[in-house]
Amino acid sequence: DGGITQSPKYLFRKEGQNVTLSCEQNLNHDAMYWYRQDPGQGLRLIYYSQIVNDFQKGDIAEGYSVSREKKESFPLTVTSAQKNPTAFYLCASSTRFSGRYNEQFFGPGTRLTVL
Amino acid sequence: GQQLNQSPQSMFIQEGEDVSMNCTSSSIFNTWLWYKQDPGEGPVLLIALYKAGELTSNGRLTAQFGITRKDSFLNISASIPSDVGIYFCAVRNNAGNMLTFGGGTRLMVKP
Repeated sequence: DGGITQSPKYLFRKEGQNVTLSCEQNLNHDAMYWYRQDPGQGLRLIYYSQIVNDFQKGDIAEGYSVSREKKESFPLTVTSAQKNPTAFYLCASSTRFSGRYNEQFFGPGTRLTVL
Repeated sequence: GQQLNQSPQSMFIQEGEDVSMNCTSSSIFNTWLWYKQDPGEGPVLLIALYKAGELTSNGRLTAQFGITRKDSFLNISASIPSDVGIYFCAVRNNAGNMLTFGGGTRLMVKP
């Protein structure tokens, strides 16, 4: 089946440790995105990539890093510099330029808890 | 940054009732989207609106793109228990590469 996978579903880390969240898609989409969701709030964009080897900061990029070495994969690293990393992280993908009928599709999310 | 004001924040209704929620912005956008998120899952696209004044249905769901391009509403008719979840509006920027989300409307349905 075509889709977006995020693993693991739940992740626990100690404060001060970097952690990398996985996002893979087999939809042949060029663009991929990372969002953060806090309880009772909407989604906020962390980073996005419209093509391999290129990515752009979103609204809340501080304390995060990404790479886009393959079209199918867009891993997100939550670094120790992120002051409040506990959140629900969502990955999405779309055709290169979201346009009419080319909207973003979301993965199932990873819930990160930093202890 | 841009802000979307979504209301109400939460609703608790009886099964079978109709539901209405809306989303407003101080800026003009050319694409309005409505997503539903089940607990612990990613959002799923329900309806996409691309033209001012457009009225689009998806089963029991109907959404309209405001004529001013600064608002949209979503209606759910004859609600059922599986309608429970959080409904988000979103707009796409003019470059077409970023979405901004509203704060969500949490819907609870009493059987």
